[in-house]
Amino acid sequence: AQSVTQLDSQVPVFEEAPVELRCNYSSSVSVYLFWYVQYPNQGLQLLLKYLSGSTLVKGINGFEAEFNKSQTSFHLRKPSVHISDTAEYFCAVYTNKLIFGTGTLLAVQP
Amino acid sequence: EAGVAQSPRYKIIEKRQSVAFWCNPISGHATLYWYQQILGQGPKLLIQFQNNGVVDDSQLPKDRFSAERLKGVDSTLKIQPAKLEDSAVYLCASSFGSGRGSSYNEQFFGPGTRLTVL
Repeated sequence: AQSVTQLDSQVPVFEEAPVELRCNYSSSVSVYLFWYVQYPNQGLQLLLKYLSGSTLVKGINGFEAEFNKSQTSFHLRKPSVHISDTAEYFCAVYTNKLIFGTGTLLAVQP
Repeated sequence: EAGVAQSPRYKIIEKRQSVAFWCNPISGHATLYWYQQILGQGPKLLIQFQNNGVVDDSQLPKDRFSAERLKGVDSTLKIQPAKLEDSAVYLCASSFGSGRGSSYNEQFFGPGTRLTVL
């Protein structure tokens, strides 16, 4: 069965600092990988996705993620965060349904 | 393009009461999904419809939860009777295609309905 592990439940970071949110997955088959963002009292918004091709994926709002098959990881990065990036971030894996991790709260402080 | 609409946005009920949530997907989207998101967890798929047929309801607690999509457009999710552990955000999503097997179709999420069971 597929599963997704987000190692950090909360990541505090100062504004303009870089950030990495970690995601590891387990699957016996090829998968598609996603990062979603959820702002307070809102639904999920797709940040970026890996379906095939280049392992470095660029998304919206300056985020990027790198697919590493040998380490079964798909970590999310941003070189400089803003206060407005404060939100919950979910990593997800898709085979025939979306399986989500437990989420990481990115808390950007001034 | 209008997004996925859900109502109500918030609902508070007492245990053993009944509740229903409504979802209107993006126009033209054949597939509709209901997810349950408990506080501190990621969303979990409850049921997936393609048009008006059920594709996957393996994680739907069928003794108390039911869902329908009679005309293949909007959908209703019902809980009867509610339990304390049903407190969660219920998210509806839709996609253009079925996304089964190896294919993938992007899912677009609504704002959710926050249910509190007292």
